[in-house]
Amino acid sequence: KNEVEQSPQNLTAQEGEFITINCSYSVGISALHWLQQHPGGGIVSLFMLSSGKKKHGRLIATINIQEKHSSLHITASHPRDSAVYICAVGETSGSRLTFGEGTQLTVNP
Amino acid sequence: DTGVSQNPRHKITKRGQNVTFRCDPISEHNRLYWYRQTLGQGPEFLTYFQNEAQLEKSRLLSDRFSAERPKGSFSTLEIQRTEQGDSAMYLCASSNRGATDTQYFGPGTRLTVL
Repeated sequence: KNEVEQSPQNLTAQEGEFITINCSYSVGISALHWLQQHPGGGIVSLFMLSSGKKKHGRLIATINIQEKHSSLHITASHPRDSAVYICAVGETSGSRLTFGEGTQLTVNP
Repeated sequence: DTGVSQNPRHKITKRGQNVTFRCDPISEHNRLYWYRQTLGQGPEFLTYFQNEAQLEKSRLLSDRFSAERPKGSFSTLEIQRTEQGDSAMYLCASSNRGATDTQYFGPGTRLTVL
């Protein structure tokens, strides 16, 4: 079992839909990161959170430490949101990040 | 542009050859990370430096892999006697602190071993 599990692996939505991507982890963490990767490889950090909820524009990230679960929400999705979204955790024991396999999101116009 | 840069962006090599990649982090960042990503998978940790000290290495980093950060600024990752299984995207990231700080990623070097 991977230490970081994401669901779904693939998600197709229509423009305007509300989207949720889930992440569960099995290790103690110091922080959880949500990252966005566009075709060609570039990775951009969206959020880093260790408790509660953060919002940036149409993106919202939440984390429940007790349940070891985080969600990334996208409101009013747009085709430019199409990308791979990756959950990563920073373990309390060190500095490395452990990544989920990513969720491929496609938003159709 | 003061982001993380990596060179080369693409490298095609024949099995058995040695390759070296370079990463230039954001100048004030003291931590530098190397990750490897294969198609359809999330990145996997390889190693990281705090300044010039290599503090952690993954067991994925076989004896054929070596990384250096001699002056605590840029870093190089060398793969000796490349194998087809080494084909992947090699990503570099930098940060000011550890896993509780945002990591800024470079564009990656895509290695293809023929």
